[in-house]
Amino acid sequence: EIVLTQSPATLSLSPGERATLSCTASQSVRDFLAWYQQKPGQAPRLLIYDVSNRATGIPARFTGSGSGTDFTLTISSLEPEDFAVYYCQQRINWPLFGPGTKVEIK
Amino acid sequence: EVQLRESGGGLVQPGRSLRLSCTASGFAFDDFAMHWVRQVPGKGLEWVSGATWNSGKIGYAGSVKGRFTISRDNAKKSLHLQMNSLTTEDTALYYCVKDLFSGNSVGEAVFDLWGQGTMVTVSS
Repeated sequence: EIVLTQSPATLSLSPGERATLSCTASQSVRDFLAWYQQKPGQAPRLLIYDVSNRATGIPARFTGSGSGTDFTLTISSLEPEDFAVYYCQQRINWPLFGPGTKVEIK
Repeated sequence: EVQLRESGGGLVQPGRSLRLSCTASGFAFDDFAMHWVRQVPGKGLEWVSGATWNSGKIGYAGSVKGRFTISRDNAKKSLHLQMNSLTTEDTALYYCVKDLFSGNSVGEAVFDLWGQGTMVTVSS
């Protein structure tokens, strides 16, 4: 069974800073990797699918990269509304989510 | 408006059953696979079950296989989850979720539209 790990668990940054979130798979998921954002009290929102494809309406400051087992979500310059929890998800097997990275205001 | 609306959650005793429903609007429901994803409050996300557009392919997480049954009614744009033999481990917020793709696979899902969820609490 594929396991996803996300690091760091918590990222403390200030608005305007660059955020780099990592997702590592225990075995290759090829390019079947998505990212979601979840704010308190809200449902998750799809940001990126298949490593680097932004979902409809997602700003260009969100960028996905990687391949195989190592993936990165980069937020180029944090806006106040970007402070949230981010989950990665693989779909090469049954859908499986990572444990999440919380991006909090420093 | 494109949306998913869940209903049917509530408080139920261990060992009992509950049926969740989801009604879709604003998109061609019968073109897409649909899923249930759950989340224990304050914790992560767990895919529960999914069904392709015509229910030709259905899948379940190991934690619910044999106890939960997913079904859909394309004419009514509705998705259901029959949950039997509930345990305290099933306590969670259950989301109805649309698949980004209209393919024929349940496992290869990307979740592009989420409802607001319905809470299921299993407790004596």
